[in-house]
Amino acid sequence: KNQVEQSPQSLIILEGKNCTLQCNYTVSPFSNLRWYKQDTGRGPVSLTIMTFSENTKSNGRYTATLDADTKQSSLHITASQLSDSASYICVVPLGGFQKLVFGTGTRLLVSP
Amino acid sequence: EAGVAQSPRYKIIEKRQSVAFWCNPISGHATLYWYQQILGQGPKLLIQFQNNGVVDDSQLPKDRFSAERLKGVDSTLKIQPAKLEDSAVYLCASTASRVGGELFFGEGSRLTVL
Repeated sequence: KNQVEQSPQSLIILEGKNCTLQCNYTVSPFSNLRWYKQDTGRGPVSLTIMTFSENTKSNGRYTATLDADTKQSSLHITASQLSDSASYICVVPLGGFQKLVFGTGTRLLVSP
Repeated sequence: EAGVAQSPRYKIIEKRQSVAFWCNPISGHATLYWYQQILGQGPKLLIQFQNNGVVDDSQLPKDRFSAERLKGVDSTLKIQPAKLEDSAVYLCASTASRVGGELFFGEGSRLTVL
C-alpha cells in the first residue's frame, strides 16, 4: 500500500533550537519527495523537492535529506524561529499524473 | 506571477444547505486538484483535473459533491446538501504537470457546517 508516515505528530521546541522531522514512505515507483510548510489558516507552501539522486538539499535554515534505500527523509530546521511554528507535510507523488500521497504532517510549535 | 486564487475564504452554512467554492489556477497550469483538509489531518484528494477532463475522482462523495472545470481554466466545487462532517478547509492546487514540477496551493476555503 502506498503510504507516507511522519513523526513526531507534534513537537514543541524553544526558539533558537534545532529539530528534525521524519518521513517514511512506501510509495512505489518513486520519483521525488516534497516537503511543505503550512501555516495555520493558510495553504501549504513548498520548501523543497528531493529527487531520487539527491541526498541533501538546503533551503535557508531548512535542510532535507533523502535515503532512497531505506525510503526515509528528514527535514532539519536550524536555529528555529517563532515563524517556523507550522505544520510540515511530506508528500510523495505516485504515477505519471502526479497523484500525490500526503503524510499527516508534523505540527511544530516554537516557543519563546 | 499570480498564485492560485480561491473564494470565498470562509463560509458558514447550516446542514442540508448548499455551498460552492471557486478556484482560479496559475495561468497555463493544466492540472488542477481539489483537496479536503480536516483539522489536524493531511489533505485528502477529492478530484484531479487534467485540462477539462477528470483524471481521478475516486474519493469524491458523488452523492453530494460535484466539481467542474469548464474550458480547462477555473473550477468550481459544490456541496449539496452539506453535512456536519463536511466542515473542513477545501484546498485548490495546480501544477504545470511536469515530472517533478512544482505544485502550488491556494489559501483554501474554510467551511463550517452547523
